[in-house]
Amino acid sequence: GAGVSQSPSNKVTEKGKDVELRCDPISGHTALYWYRQSLGQGLEFLIYFQGNSAPDKSGLPSDRFSAERTGGSVSTLTIQRTQQEDSAVYLCASSPWSGPGTGELFFGEGSRLTVL
Amino acid sequence: GDSVTQMEGPVTLSEEAFLTINCTYTATGYPSLFWYVQYPGEGLQLLLKATKADDKGSNKGFEATYRKETTSFHLEKGSVQVSDSAVYFCALVTGGGNKLTFGTGTQLKVEL
Repeated sequence: GAGVSQSPSNKVTEKGKDVELRCDPISGHTALYWYRQSLGQGLEFLIYFQGNSAPDKSGLPSDRFSAERTGGSVSTLTIQRTQQEDSAVYLCASSPWSGPGTGELFFGEGSRLTVL
Repeated sequence: GDSVTQMEGPVTLSEEAFLTINCTYTATGYPSLFWYVQYPGEGLQLLLKATKADDKGSNKGFEATYRKETTSFHLEKGSVQVSDSAVYFCALVTGGGNKLTFGTGTQLKVEL
């Protein structure tokens, strides 16, 4: 597709279950980012990939959160033993550059996670 | 650490009214500044940016000027349209990366 694709668009799960969120970046984009958008909060940075490596994972809130990227393309964000405070919209973005300060990220529409 | 503060919304305006959305920032380095927009049902997209003091970013009739002395990057538009209804995010990036720090977003509603 032409843009960043995320799935599922909506996920409702029970507390304690594991969830996987998928991101398909724009073809050829080497940089990939995950952000979280909670109600009333700004976008919170989670992790950044350059290729398959994650040089910055400083925003992952706990060890229940992990992410990987394979083939320099698709990325999966996994949340284990979900808690109600994990409810949020998880946004993925990609960028064609790894260079500094360009700031132009291309965002997907997000995956809305609700933990009951 | 870096942070961005935006005026709270929602901001409700009549069509053709003048828009200002305030944004101020704190940063450890010399940031580049951005406005992103999220239209209903769509992903965030870059609206405009400015990379150094006194630069003015502009796009689609919106503009914002990088004011280092007041650490501000206020978004303005002279005449808003219903189609401008969206959530607007101010953001910055410092250092050698592209990790954006976002504000909380300001929802704009434009009515006929």
